[in-house]
Amino acid sequence: AQSVTQLDSHVSVSEGTPVLLRCNYSSSYSPSLFWYVQHPNKGLQLLLKYTSAATLVKGINGFEAEFKKSETSFHLTKPSAHMSDAAEYFCVVSDRGQAGTALIFGKGTTLSVSS
Amino acid sequence: DTEVTQTPKHLVMGMTNKKSLKCEQHMGHRAMYWYKQKAKKPPELMFVYSYEKLSINESVPSRFSPECPNSSLLNLHLHALQPEDSALYLCASSPAGLPGLRGLAGGTQYFGPGTRLTVL
Repeated sequence: AQSVTQLDSHVSVSEGTPVLLRCNYSSSYSPSLFWYVQHPNKGLQLLLKYTSAATLVKGINGFEAEFKKSETSFHLTKPSAHMSDAAEYFCVVSDRGQAGTALIFGKGTTLSVSS
Repeated sequence: DTEVTQTPKHLVMGMTNKKSLKCEQHMGHRAMYWYKQKAKKPPELMFVYSYEKLSINESVPSRFSPECPNSSLLNLHLHALQPEDSALYLCASSPAGLPGLRGLAGGTQYFGPGTRLTVL
């Protein structure tokens, strides 16, 4: 069975400091992995996706994530946090090539950014 | 353009009302989805349409009735809802897999802004 675990329910950083949001996955197949962000009372916005090309994936707004198969991890990072980064972040897995499987969401990580 | 639009943005309805949520995309995607999201929780899949046919119904109560009139539109008809149905309803779309296969084949899903539903 496929699953995804976000290791921190809440992360707090200061503006200008690095951001690390941790995600581990479990998949029987070569997975597609995504990070989505959700600002308060908004829909989900795709930050980045991994689909078995380069293991270091660059996304929007300066975010990037590295796929590490040996560690079954897909952590999200950003060198310098901005106040506008405060939001809910979801790590998501989707099994490629297997019909009948929809997106599997982690429980989310709330990122707080203080000035 | 990766835009999915949803109307209305907010909806308040009584338990005896009938209302509809609307979702539209013009990306040529042939898979469309309805999700329900409660506060502080991830989205929960409700329905999947693939090539305008219902391919997944995640045991959703019959008071929720989806409809896909064409490849760009997705509706969710609501009737006799309960207060616990109050939530953010999200629509998404993605490229679809091969016709005839249940579900999706891993296409990236793009989400709309959602409809905030309150049932009194």
